[in-house]
Amino acid sequence: EDKVVQSPLSLVVHEGDTVTLNCSYEVTNFRSLLWYKQEKKAPTFLFMLTSSGIEKKSGRLSSILDKKELSSILNITATQTGDSAIYLCAVYSGAGSYQLTFGKGTKLSVIP
Amino acid sequence: DTGVSQDPRHKITKRGQNVTFRCDPISEHNRLYWYRQTLGQGPEFLTYFQNEAQLEKSRLLSDRFSAERPKGSFSTLEIQRTEQGDSAMYLCASSPITDRVISTDTQYFGPGTRLTVL
Repeated sequence: EDKVVQSPLSLVVHEGDTVTLNCSYEVTNFRSLLWYKQEKKAPTFLFMLTSSGIEKKSGRLSSILDKKELSSILNITATQTGDSAIYLCAVYSGAGSYQLTFGKGTKLSVIP
Repeated sequence: DTGVSQDPRHKITKRGQNVTFRCDPISEHNRLYWYRQTLGQGPEFLTYFQNEAQLEKSRLLSDRFSAERPKGSFSTLEIQRTEQGDSAMYLCASSPITDRVISTDTQYFGPGTRLTVL
């Protein structure tokens, strides 16, 4: 059975800190890994990482895929209170399957 | 460009009742997905449509659950004879067909319908 594991499950930091969130996966026929940010409601898309695009960056957020270690990290620099959210990692796997397998998420709290 | 919309946003029902949720995907998105999310968990896949065809169903989707997308636009998810264990957030997502070979479409999520079964 496909598994996606995120760590830590929760994290409290002060504004301005840099954080690293981890995602590891054990899946059959890995295709891509996606990061989402979930506040009160809908998960919003952040990044997609594939074999041909293992590093992405947008402003203070960046993500790297390590296919050898079967893992990914999401970095947030100079954190702000608006970064407080649950960060979800999800993987496309299998042959011809369109379902995403999600981890449980990392709950990030940024305090002033 | 409007996002994915879901209706209702909240539903409270009594055990044993039937409920139906609606999802309107982003215009011209061919693929539509349903997920269920409980507290402290990530979303779990339920089912997926490409246009009007239901192409994948999770084993989580028991006989009491049925989903339709009759004209390839909006979709409905019905739960019959609800149980307390059905209480969850039901999320809908949609995606365009961008890469037919690698099939790594970005899924865009709606705000969800929160179901509470008393």
